[in-house]
Amino acid sequence: DSGVTQTPKHLITATGQRVTLRCSPRSGDLSVYWYQQSLDQGLQFLIQYYNGEERAKGNILERFSAQQFPDLHSELNLSSLELGDSALYFCASSMTGRDEQYFGPGTRLTVT
Amino acid sequence: AQKVTQAQTEISVVEKEDVTLDCVYETRDTTYYLFWYKQPPSGELVFLIRRNSFDEQNEISGRYSWNFQKSTSSFNFTITASQVVDSAVYFCALSEAANFGNEKLTFGTGTRLTIIP
Repeated sequence: DSGVTQTPKHLITATGQRVTLRCSPRSGDLSVYWYQQSLDQGLQFLIQYYNGEERAKGNILERFSAQQFPDLHSELNLSSLELGDSALYFCASSMTGRDEQYFGPGTRLTVT
Repeated sequence: AQKVTQAQTEISVVEKEDVTLDCVYETRDTTYYLFWYKQPPSGELVFLIRRNSFDEQNEISGRYSWNFQKSTSSFNFTITASQVVDSAVYFCALSEAANFGNEKLTFGTGTRLTIIP
């Protein structure tokens, strides 16, 4: 158990819908990262927050957004979902940006 | 731009054999971090090791060992006396974390390791 929690574990929804994925980092970790794992793109970085502020953006679509709250948990919002958004979404956390990242169990999103 | 290459897509070995997973990286930075993660069939990503670019000492942890060679930009992972529980996809990753705002992990495409009992 990495100490990072993600909910829900599985999500099945229809095209055009909006979903919210939730992540709680390990106790003491200030940095939260979101990654997407798909068969065609592999593991791709989406976005990073550090102590409530956005620190870096990767290959995140405009339809996706995220935030980190004062209690350091983070949410990833995916809207106008398309079939191609079906993937495993991971949240990771680290104490600072230079430490190893510990990953949550992931949320498997299926868009039908 | 940073890049990680894992040329071995799939490897199968018989239990108790040794196996080496290759990882080659590209970066323009002199300070960077290298990682290995394991993804078992259950799907989670398990952290195995982090190495910084100034520490080329090889590391051994039980049956696992890592060989870091800056001269060839490689960070290879060897499992000695493999076991069925080692079956998983293994990812090598790179972070240029010395640069503010560039702490993300760039992953290779992974090597699927199957240990045959």
